[in-house]
Amino acid sequence: AQSVAQPEDQVNVAEGNPLTVKCTYSVSGNPYLFWYVQYPNRGLQFLLKYITGDNLVKGSYGFEAEFNKSQTSFHLKKPSALVSDSALYFCAVRHTSNTGKLIFGQGTTLQVKP
Amino acid sequence: NAGVMQNPRHLVRRRGQEARLRCSPMKGHSHVYWYRQLPEEGLKFMVYLQKENIIDESGMPKERFSAEFPKEGPSILRIQQVVRGDSAAYFCASSPPFPGELFFGEGSRLTVL
Repeated sequence: AQSVAQPEDQVNVAEGNPLTVKCTYSVSGNPYLFWYVQYPNRGLQFLLKYITGDNLVKGSYGFEAEFNKSQTSFHLKKPSALVSDSALYFCAVRHTSNTGKLIFGQGTTLQVKP
Repeated sequence: NAGVMQNPRHLVRRRGQEARLRCSPMKGHSHVYWYRQLPEEGLKFMVYLQKENIIDESGMPKERFSAEFPKEGPSILRIQQVVRGDSAAYFCASSPPFPGELFFGEGSRLTVL
């Protein structure tokens, strides 16, 4: 069965420092991986995806993610965090039943302190 | 191009009442997904629909919950005889016929008193 794990409930980082939000996946076959961000009382906004190709994927708002097949990871990164990046981040994998549905991790709260 | 539209944004019901949540997908999108987010939890898949067809309802509770996506009009998630445990945020997402990412609405927040 497909699954996604986000091992950290919360990540704290100082503004201007690099940030990493971790995600590992379990899926049979080639994974389609996604990152979304959710601000309080809002819907999910798409950040980036990995389908195929270059292992380093660049997305919205300066975020990027690195696909690592051997470690089955897809960590979200940003070189310099902003206070406005504070939000809830979800990693997701597309279900291989080909329905297109996404399976989400539990989410990681990112707190960027000034 | 309007995004995924959900209404109502907030809904309060008493135990035993019915809740109806509506979702209009993005223009050109024919696939609709419903997810539920409980407090302090992630998003759980409920159902996937195309026009007039339920494709995957593996995440739907067996009783009281139903969903439809008629030929005309929005998709509807219906919860009958609501209980306090149904209190949650319900998100709708849509995608084009060859899905990559899903596009989410702002959610409908159901509170059951």
